[in-house]
Amino acid sequence: DTGVSQNPRHKITKRGQNVTFRCDPISEHNRLYWYRQTLGQGPEFLTYFQNEAQLEKSRLLSDRFSAERPKGSFSTLEIQRTEQGDSAMYLCASSLDRNYEQYFGPGTRLTVT
Amino acid sequence: DQQVKQNSPSLSVQEGRISILNCDYTNSMFDYFLWYKKYPAEGPTFLISISSIKDKNEDGRFTVFLNKSAKHLSLHIVPSQPGDSAVYFCAARDSGAGSYQLTFGKGTKLSVIP
Repeated sequence: DTGVSQNPRHKITKRGQNVTFRCDPISEHNRLYWYRQTLGQGPEFLTYFQNEAQLEKSRLLSDRFSAERPKGSFSTLEIQRTEQGDSAMYLCASSLDRNYEQYFGPGTRLTVT
Repeated sequence: DQQVKQNSPSLSVQEGRISILNCDYTNSMFDYFLWYKKYPAEGPTFLISISSIKDKNEDGRFTVFLNKSAKHLSLHIVPSQPGDSAVYFCAARDSGAGSYQLTFGKGTKLSVIP
């Protein structure tokens, strides 16, 4: 399968714990995006990388969130001190370049109890 | 403030008939529009797109129409099939924004009845 993959698919954690998600984009795609989707809403932009550089962050990305893309390959999204409001589907997407469509992974569903 | 609006949360259509999904936007800087389809427990799947320099784009059973003056676009599916039942998201992009991030509507759940 050469699509975007995300791990884990589901994560249940207790409030206050740290969690980390991984995204493997389509190879050769140099742009990688993170979005968050809550119930009844469309995906909302969080941040994006061009190769290994994180070039933009949304105001939704509080200080408890950090993302990395070492060597411009896979990316990780970490949430520290999780809160119940962080419960959502976290989606990763990649695109070949700026004028190309974004292809999404299956998402990681986070539940904070 | 919702910059991309899909005002119909759901739509039911008989198999073989036309499905029309609508989308309105408010940001005049949006210059590229996309439709994604999403099944439960899966990520959105790209369906079709249209640039603001065009008013129509067709791909098989799917056609997207863009009315720039009205800031309105629609997705037509003809003929509708039961496998088309999913949530459809309209998304827009401001190519001058640098990130080329997508702004999504809330989605319309399409049910195609056999």
